[in-house]
Amino acid sequence: EVQLVQSGAEVKKPGESLKISCKGSGYSFTSYWIGWVRQMPGKGLEWMGIIYPGDSDTRYSPSFQGQVTISADKSISTAYLQWSSLKASDTAMYYCARCYVVRGVILLLDYWGQGTLVTVSS
Amino acid sequence: QSVLTQPPSASGTPGQRVTISCSGSSSNIGSNTVNWYQQLPGTAPKLLIYRNNQRPSGVPDRFSGSKSGTSASLAISGLQSEDEADYYCAAWDDSLNGLVFGTGTKVTVL
Repeated sequence: EVQLVQSGAEVKKPGESLKISCKGSGYSFTSYWIGWVRQMPGKGLEWMGIIYPGDSDTRYSPSFQGQVTISADKSISTAYLQWSSLKASDTAMYYCARCYVVRGVILLLDYWGQGTLVTVSS
Repeated sequence: QSVLTQPPSASGTPGQRVTISCSGSSSNIGSNTVNWYQQLPGTAPKLLIYRNNQRPSGVPDRFSGSKSGTSASLAISGLQSEDEADYYCAAWDDSLNGLVFGTGTKVTVL
């Protein structure tokens, strides 16, 4: 059974750093892209970027380029999303999802993690 | 900012048919396949329809998708109380070189 299990909720202060995780199981982790999706409180879904754990090839949405860093450790089947300096506007639910990508085009997100709630408040 | 436009809400009584539209452009829906995601209250999104009209294993056949030109639609026939959720369309956008989601539609079962 394909599963993506994300790390727990975080409460941080503005300016702090953070790294959240997404551990895949039940499939070949290095053979599928992993994507990250943001959902701000009461709002819709926004694609942030994707990574191919097999070779760490990473693509970012222009809206998130330079704002976050996506990485992966294929030895432990885990992808990461990190911030170097959080802002209050980073408060949101973050989902990871397994992506089916062909020639650089994301065709679908078929399995999703349960989400990690990040709250940034002074 | 979402480039795929959906109505903010839709509703129906149990057993009715509800349709949700998703309007895009030639750079997204017009040239790429559309997927639909269902997000039940307090849960993660779930893939509901892929490649315009295909249902993943386990999705009831009362959910159906279609695409025509730069628009797509999701239909729920035989509406049930457990269908109360937010529904999002999504497609790759060739101009933005990224995945775009619809604005989302909240379905209420009256």
